[in-house]
Amino acid sequence: QSVLTQPPSVSAAPGHSVTISCSGSASNIGSKFISWYQKLPGTAPKLIIFEDNKRPAGIPDRFSGSKSATSATLGITGLQTGDEADYYCGTWAVSLGHGVFGGGTKLTVL
Amino acid sequence: QLQLQESGPGLVKPSETLTLTCTVSGGFLSASRNYWGWIRQPPGRGLEWLGAITNSGNTYYNRFLNGRVTVSSETSDTQFTLTMVSVTAADTAIYYCARLWSYSDYADVWGQGTLVTVST
Repeated sequence: QSVLTQPPSVSAAPGHSVTISCSGSASNIGSKFISWYQKLPGTAPKLIIFEDNKRPAGIPDRFSGSKSATSATLGITGLQTGDEADYYCGTWAVSLGHGVFGGGTKLTVL
Repeated sequence: QLQLQESGPGLVKPSETLTLTCTVSGGFLSASRNYWGWIRQPPGRGLEWLGAITNSGNTYYNRFLNGRVTVSSETSDTQFTLTMVSVTAADTAIYYCARLWSYSDYADVWGQGTLVTVST
């Protein structure tokens, strides 16, 4: 069981928008930065959001991040078939003393 | 440009010790604000944070691995190692090394990953 809770799957049509939630607690999301990763089959995870809402160079502004209290959200607008992937949230768990990831959310672009 | 590359055995027998090395090119383990970690993904499952070492040698481990993991960087400023003892089939996974940023705790550069299978 993951410390951070994500929905197993979400889906939306091309061109539409989707949000993926990541729920935690005061000792992880509530007190530390959240990051988001895109995981395509056969490739290493790719950082798409860091420090709650910042995008690395090269990540389109269709991807956004937000956080409120002990939950975080990844938003993707203008969905493309290439966005089909597994998405993971990650942060530091203060009470555990190590990093943690959510269980992952599979995005299907119908 | 910073790059990371994992190396090690693709097959390990149950109860044996797994040792993986991550070689850093284009940078050094001593870089400020960085620390260096290991993350894995078992087949059909999610990402799991295993352990990490800071530029000053402090280490952090996933407590749910019950002390089976050690991360070290004793040999050079461009390599760090993951050692996992008493492996079982549940340790079969793709293992990634990554560069992380202190205080923000995100991993921005990843190795390509190496598949480790635990089997007789």
